[in-house]
Amino acid sequence: DAGVIQSPRHEVTEMGQEVTLRCKPISGHDYLFWYRQTMMRGLELLIYFNNNVPIDDSGMPEDRFSAKMPNASFSTLKIQPSEPRDSAVYFCASSPRTSWNEQFFGPGTRLTVL
Amino acid sequence: RKEVEQDPGPFNVPEGATVAFNCTYSNSASQSFFWYRQDCRKEPKLLMSVYSSGNEDGRFTAQLNRASQYISLLIRDSKLSDSATYLCAVILSPANDYKLSFGAGTTVTVRA
Repeated sequence: DAGVIQSPRHEVTEMGQEVTLRCKPISGHDYLFWYRQTMMRGLELLIYFNNNVPIDDSGMPEDRFSAKMPNASFSTLKIQPSEPRDSAVYFCASSPRTSWNEQFFGPGTRLTVL
Repeated sequence: RKEVEQDPGPFNVPEGATVAFNCTYSNSASQSFFWYRQDCRKEPKLLMSVYSSGNEDGRFTAQLNRASQYISLLIRDSKLSDSATYLCAVILSPANDYKLSFGAGTTVTVRA
């Protein structure tokens, strides 16, 4: 079975550019989570969706960040404009309704903003 | 005070040794607790859930101490492959269903 798929795996961009991260959750999973991990702040939840609907975006750092889930098999996290402090590893995770407490993480996108 | 805190380590132990470490959480109403394992430059993976009565999975034992608000993980007979960062995760309040709050991780290095 395919796990959570994220693209790109690595992204290097310049300050001010728009960055779009993509995620395909495991088929049949109802929940999708976006996390950010840095050495300073650890693993932080940014936003999560249930059945494609955003439930809690209180972790989104500011208006430059936005996330969408147009259908059950695709989600995006967009940063516009990007800043050097956005450099981090961004993980997408999904979980099924029946065992929501086990979150399956994708391999992450390593973002570097110069 | 952080909501979920861990001793970052590193814990450097020889093969075959036992290593244990804790994770404290701030909200006494927390109900669900987990240990995740993260290898270097990889994604976190669920290692085990932590139940009120404590639970064991092979060489790994997890305990919950509600009175002191911490969970623990013990690894017996350490293997080289146990070298990783161990993240504790807590659902801090019943109102925060599905929202895991992670600790910063405890690094364990098992040496030959």
